[in-house]
Amino acid sequence: DAGVIQSPRHEVTEMGQEVTLRCKPISGHNSLFWYRQTMMRGLELLIYFNNNVPIDDSGMPEDRFSAKMPNASFSTLKIQPSEPRDSAVYFCASSYSGELFFGEGSRLTVL
Amino acid sequence: AQSVAQPEDQVNVAEGNPLTVKCTYSVSGNPYLFWYVQYPNRGLQFLLKYITGDNLVKGSYGFEAEFNKSQTSFHLKKPSALVSDSALYFCAVRDFNTNAGKSTFGDGTTLTVKP
Repeated sequence: DAGVIQSPRHEVTEMGQEVTLRCKPISGHNSLFWYRQTMMRGLELLIYFNNNVPIDDSGMPEDRFSAKMPNASFSTLKIQPSEPRDSAVYFCASSYSGELFFGEGSRLTVL
Repeated sequence: AQSVAQPEDQVNVAEGNPLTVKCTYSVSGNPYLFWYVQYPNRGLQFLLKYITGDNLVKGSYGFEAEFNKSQTSFHLKKPSALVSDSALYFCAVRDFNTNAGKSTFGDGTTLTVKP
């Protein structure tokens, strides 16, 4: 299997622009997670889905952030408008039996 | 609520020596415990997990972890460290019976193995 695939790997954008991060989970996994990693705050869970349904979005920082999972093989995390404090590495992970399988991350820099 | 503490930001060991990376947890139900490793500019990789059964769990790359219920600990160990083990290590906990799917991670411990 190819593992969890994230795109883009790197994104540099200007404040106020819309950012869309994409994730393809491992086939057969029924849970999908979006995490954000920064030096200051460590690893934060933003939102997770079970069988394509959002279960817990309490970690989403504010209304500028939204996530969708239209089907079992695709999810997006959108930031609109982006701000410099959103700069971080965003990870997608999928799971079937408890342990998480992470993608390589999307490094976002908002200028 | 569930939480994880990794009391050491950094652990330094010499190559060939045994290593221990500490983790304590808090969970209201039965714990489901994990260790992950992260190399620079990479995603986290699963190392091992504890659900039930034998308190000593063996995982990838020669790592093992010991579950201690009375001390609520799940320390990661390796008998002989390699320079290539240098990385960031995360402990995670999940309540086996509730919060299905939601793991809480510690802040991570940077392991440096010196030749």
